[in-house]
Order: sequence, then structure tokens, then C-alpha cells
Amino acid sequence: AQSVTQLDSHVSVSEGTPVLLRCNYSSSYSPSLFWYVQHPNKGLQLLLKYTSAATLVKGINGFEAEFKKSETSFHLTKPSAHMSDAAEYFCVVSLNRDDKIIFGKGTRLHILP
Amino acid sequence: EAGVAQSPRYKIIEKRQSVAFWCNPISGHATLYWYQQILGQGPKLLIQFQNNGVVDDSQLPKDRFSAERLKGVDSTLKIQPAKLEDSAVYLCASSWDIAGGETQYFGPGTRLLVL
Repeated sequence: AQSVTQLDSHVSVSEGTPVLLRCNYSSSYSPSLFWYVQHPNKGLQLLLKYTSAATLVKGINGFEAEFKKSETSFHLTKPSAHMSDAAEYFCVVSLNRDDKIIFGKGTRLHILP
Repeated sequence: EAGVAQSPRYKIIEKRQSVAFWCNPISGHATLYWYQQILGQGPKLLIQFQNNGVVDDSQLPKDRFSAERLKGVDSTLKIQPAKLEDSAVYLCASSWDIAGGETQYFGPGTRLLVL
């Protein structure tokens, strides 16, 4: 069975410092992996996705993520945090084989001035 | 390009009452999803349609929840009767196709409070 685990429910970083949001997945087949962001009172928006092409994926707003099959991880990073990055981030796994879609529980990112 | 539309945005009902939510996906999107997002949790897929057929409804509480997408475009999600634990945000999303790598586009959600 597939699953996705976001290792931190809350992450706090200072503005201008790097961001790391961790995601591990479990899947028997080749997964597609996504990161979505949810700002308060706004809809979910796709940040980036991995679909078996390049393992380093660049997304919007300076975010990127690296698919590491050996570690079953898809961590989200950004070199320098901005106040506008404060939001909830969801890691999502989708199996190409049977199209099951599973969201992680989310990581709330706090940006300190 | 217009996004996914949902209505109403907010709804307050008493337990045992009925409620219905409406979703209009992005034009041309074949796949439509309904999610339930309880406060502090990630979205949980309730039902997935491909055109007007159901692909996955394994997590839909069928004794009280129902959904339809009659003409393969708009969709409605109904709860009858509602329980306190149904208080959540109900999200609708759509994508071009059903393949696992497809990007989902989300609507703003309907926030339901059951008293």
C-alpha cells in the first residue's frame, strides 16, 4: 500500500534563511509526487511535481524538490525564505498504476521576521 | 482560463439536516475530485470521476454521502443526514485526465459547520 509521511507538522525559519520541508513516501510502483501550498483562506496551488523525468524539480516561487528513490524522499527546499511563504504545505503521492491519490497531513511553515 | 468554481463558500446547518455542494470544473477537464479536509489534516479523497463515471469512491461514507456528475461536467456532493464530524472544508478539484502525473486544480472550497 502506498503512503506519504510529512515528518514535521510545523517548521519555523527566519526570513532569508533556507527552508526544508520533509516528505517520505511508500510505494510499490513508480509514483508521481507533488507539493501543493495552501495559503490561509485560499485554494490549494501546485508548487511542483515529479513524474519520472528529472529527479530535481523546480517549481514556482523559488521552491525545488529532489526525488531520491533510494531514500524514498521528496523533500521541498528553498534557499531563502520570504514572509509570503508562510502557509501550509502538502506532499502528495499518486500511483501511475491505479491512480490512487494520497495527501500528507501537511506542514505549516512559519516565517520569523 | 477560469478556475474551478464551488458554491456555496460557507454553510452552517444543524445535525441531521441535509446539505449539497456544487462544483464546476475547468472547461475540458475530464477528471473531477471531491475531497474532505478536516481542520488540521490533509485533504482526504472522497470520490473521483472520469467524465460521468466513478473511478474511486472507496473512502466515501455511502450511508450518508452521495455525489453525481450527470453530464460529465458539473458535480454535486450531498450529505444526508449530516453529523457533527462532517464539519470540514469540502474541496473540489479537476484535471485534464486521470493519469497519475496530472496536475489537479483546486477550487476555493466550501466550509461546512454542523451544529
